Amino acid sequence: SYVLTQPPSVSVAPGKTARITCGGNNIGSKSVHWYQQKPGQAPVLVIYYDSDRPSGIPERFSGSNSGNTATLTISRVEAGDEADYYCQVWDSSSVWVFGGGTKLTVL
Amino acid sequence: QLQLQESGPGLVKPSETLSLTCTVSGGSISSSSYYWGWIRQPPGKGLEWIGSIYYSGSTYYNPSLKSRVTISVDTSKNQFSLKLSSVTAADTAVYYCGLIIAAAGTVNEWGQGTLVTVSS
Repeated sequence: SYVLTQPPSVSVAPGKTARITCGGNNIGSKSVHWYQQKPGQAPVLVIYYDSDRPSGIPERFSGSNSGNTATLTISRVEAGDEADYYCQVWDSSSVWVFGGGTKLTVL
Repeated sequence: QLQLQESGPGLVKPSETLSLTCTVSGGSISSSSYYWGWIRQPPGKGLEWIGSIYYSGSTYYNPSLKSRVTISVDTSKNQFSLKLSSVTAADTAVYYCGLIIAAAGTVNEWGQGTLVTVSS
C-alpha cells in the first residue's frame, strides 16, 4: 500500500516561514491535500490539489508537489498556526492515505 | 451547508462489534458529488482512514481493516454507518465521519468526532 512520510515535528519562530514535507513514491504524479488539526478539534482542509486554498484559508498557506516530495509552506507564521498537519492522497486503487502527521510548534 | 454528526456507544467490550452512525443534515446523502467516509484517530496518534461509501452503495476499505469493517448507507434516513467487528483496545480512538468530494478525494466536512473506548 502507498505510504506517506512526514517529519514528526517542525519548529519555527513567529513571522518566519514553516515548511512541512510529505514524502511518497512518485508523489508528484498524485494530488496532495493538507489538513490542519488543532487540539480537541476535527481536521480542517487547508490545501487541496497540491496548491489550491479553500475559501477562508489565508494566502499565507501554500503548497507544492514534485518528484517524491510535497511541501506545505506557511509564511509569516503566527501563534494560531500551531497545530498538527496531515498530508493525504487518494490512491489509484480507491483508497485514502494519510501521512503520519507533523506537529508545528511556534517558538 | 452540509453538517455531519456521529452517534453511538462510547464504550465497547473487547471482541464485540463497534457500531456508529453518521447523520447528514443540510443536504442529501444521495448526491453523486460525494463519498462518505469514516476516519479514526487513536489518542495522541495520527489519522487513519477506515473506509468510504458512495451513495450507490459502492464501498472502499482500508486493506488493514477490511476483514472487520462494514460501511453502509441508509438514504431514507440520510445516514451512513460503520461496523467494526472483533474490537480490541487498539481500536480505541476518536471516530470521525466525513464528507468526501468525489472529484478531488478531499474530506471537506468533518463530524465533531466521537470517542470510542474498548474496555471490559
